[in-house]
Amino acid sequence: DIQMTQSPSSLSASVGDRVTITCRASQTIDKYLNWYQWKPGKAPKLLIYGASSLQSGVPPRCSGSGSGTDFTLTISSLQPEDLATYYCQQTYSFPYTFGGGTKVEIK
Amino acid sequence: EAHLVESGGGLVQPGGSLRLSCAASGLTFNNNYMNWVRQAPGKGLEWVATMEKDGSEQYYLDSVRGRFIISRDNAENLLYLQMSSLRAEDTAVYYCARGIPYCIGSTCRLAMDVWGQGTTVIVSS
Repeated sequence: DIQMTQSPSSLSASVGDRVTITCRASQTIDKYLNWYQWKPGKAPKLLIYGASSLQSGVPPRCSGSGSGTDFTLTISSLQPEDLATYYCQQTYSFPYTFGGGTKVEIK
Repeated sequence: EAHLVESGGGLVQPGGSLRLSCAASGLTFNNNYMNWVRQAPGKGLEWVATMEKDGSEQYYLDSVRGRFIISRDNAENLLYLQMSSLRAEDTAVYYCARGIPYCIGSTCRLAMDVWGQGTTVIVSS
């Protein structure tokens, strides 16, 4: 199974800050990496697919990059509504696996 | 607008069974891959199972293979997860999610772009 390791597990930043979350795969997954946002009591939301493609309706302050084993999710200017937990997911091979999550808090 | 609604969760004893349903609307159900993903209390997301559009192939998390069965009724726009031999560690919110393929070159894989609100399964005596 492909292990997905996210870091940090949590972070606290101010409104307007640039936030970067990293995700590392235990083996190459090409660019088959998706990012999701999850808020308690709500359904997860797809932000980025294929490592860098922005899902329709997602604000452009979110961006993704990377290929192979190392990936990043960047929020260029953190907003209050970005308070959430973010997960990476590989769909390169079954079993699909998620990272452990990064909880983003607003200072 | 695509919409998924799960139902069927509840409290069940260890070793018991439960069937979850996911009703789809606003999408061409028989043209979509479908998935189940769960989230145990205080834990992260965990993929459980995927079914191809026509139901010809199913894929499972190792820890549920042989105990859970994913199925679909394309005529009724319904996805199911039949769960048996339930264990305490199966306690979670279960989400159904549409899998949308995207392709890099000639190879396509899935992202999950539409999710339900989830249904809670508690396995406890």
